[in-house]
Amino acid sequence: DTGVSQNPRHKITKRGQNVTFRCDPISEHNRLYWYRQTLGQGPEFLTYFQNEAQLEKSRLLSDRFSAERPKGSFSTLEIQRTEQGDSAMYLCASSSRTAGEKLFFGSGTQLSVL
Amino acid sequence: QKEVEQDPGPLSVPEGAIVSLNCTYSNSAFQYFMWYRQYSRKGPELLMYTYSSGNKEDGRFTAQVDKSSKYISLFIRDSQPSDSATYLCAMSAKSGGSNYKLTFGKGTLLTVNP
Repeated sequence: DTGVSQNPRHKITKRGQNVTFRCDPISEHNRLYWYRQTLGQGPEFLTYFQNEAQLEKSRLLSDRFSAERPKGSFSTLEIQRTEQGDSAMYLCASSSRTAGEKLFFGSGTQLSVL
Repeated sequence: QKEVEQDPGPLSVPEGAIVSLNCTYSNSAFQYFMWYRQYSRKGPELLMYTYSSGNKEDGRFTAQVDKSSKYISLFIRDSQPSDSATYLCAMSAKSGGSNYKLTFGKGTLLTVNP
């Protein structure tokens, strides 16, 4: 499978715990994005990497959120001290100039904070 | 007013019907327009990708963009039960050489009844 891969698919955690999600983009895609989607809403932009550089972060990304993309390959999104309002689907997407800058999404990680 | 408005439906049609989905937007800087299909508990899948105004056809799907009216549409001909999903419009302005930052509508839930 050469699509965007996200792990885990589901995560249930207690309020106050830290969680980390992983995204493996389509190989050779140099751009990687994180979006968040809540029930009944479209995805909302969180952050964007070009290679290993994080070029933009949304105001939605509070100080409890951090994302990394070491070596410009896979990326991780960590949420510290989770709150019930963090419950959502976290989507990763990747793109490249050779792919016409079209964004291809993974299946997402569904986070439930109890 | 949100940047992108999309009627969430739900929309229910009989098999074989022509389906019309649409979005309006307020940001005149948007130049790239997309339609994604999202099945339950899956990530969005790119269906149509258009730049600027005009029509684009791909099989049973036709995307229309009218920038003067800030209105985009997706038509599905000969709809099938497998088309039952949420349809998301998305758009972006060209920024820094990459049209990375997508703004999505809420999505329209479509059910095609056999």
